[in-house]
Amino acid sequence: QKEVEQDPGPLSVPEGAIVSLNCTYSNSAFQYFMWYRQYSRKGPELLMYTYSSGNKEDGRFTAQVDKSSKYISLFIRDSQPSDSATYLCAMTSYNFNKFYFGSGTKLNVKP
Amino acid sequence: GAVVSQHPSRVICKSGTSVKIECRSLDFQATTMFWYRQFPKKSLMLMATSNEGSKATYEQGVEKDKFLINHASLTLSTLTVTSAHPEDSSFYICSANIEIRLAGNSNEQFFGPGTRLTVL
Repeated sequence: QKEVEQDPGPLSVPEGAIVSLNCTYSNSAFQYFMWYRQYSRKGPELLMYTYSSGNKEDGRFTAQVDKSSKYISLFIRDSQPSDSATYLCAMTSYNFNKFYFGSGTKLNVKP
Repeated sequence: GAVVSQHPSRVICKSGTSVKIECRSLDFQATTMFWYRQFPKKSLMLMATSNEGSKATYEQGVEKDKFLINHASLTLSTLTVTSAHPEDSSFYICSANIEIRLAGNSNEQFFGPGTRLTVL
């Protein structure tokens, strides 16, 4: 079983839609959860960073962590064509020895 | 936010040559840098963890003699792909850890823009 599972998509939505991206994981030791956005042929950039369970909001982006279900989500409100990219979830334990990544979900927001 | 640069951004070389990729943290000191490899439509695969002043820690299955890592200073780590072959063609990405002390320790990882290596 992979440490982190993420649906690769592609996910295609119309402009203005609410997007939900998700990852599940198996290691209960994970404490820190991150979402990265990666445009084609570019390095990933950090979008959201959450510690333990709960919600975190930043503009149109909301990250949710449910540690009891080992499930994390990223919501994008009022999606824009410029949001079209691959979104990677990542997580690590308290000692930050290693980061574990999902395979990435490719999102396409159609104008 | 913190900036990590990589050079070169793109390299094309002949089979058998060695290629050096540099990763720099521009406005912070990074005691730990990570090297990843990304295949098309796949996740990032951690190759090795690079610690300043000590030997890199390689992941299982990664040949340390093939992928030489040198973390000579707190702002620079290099990855050298020795005797490159077409199967080494990939997107190589480095990242650097920055420690943030806010209500308990935390870390953020910042990625470089990546280097696309094509071996003919």
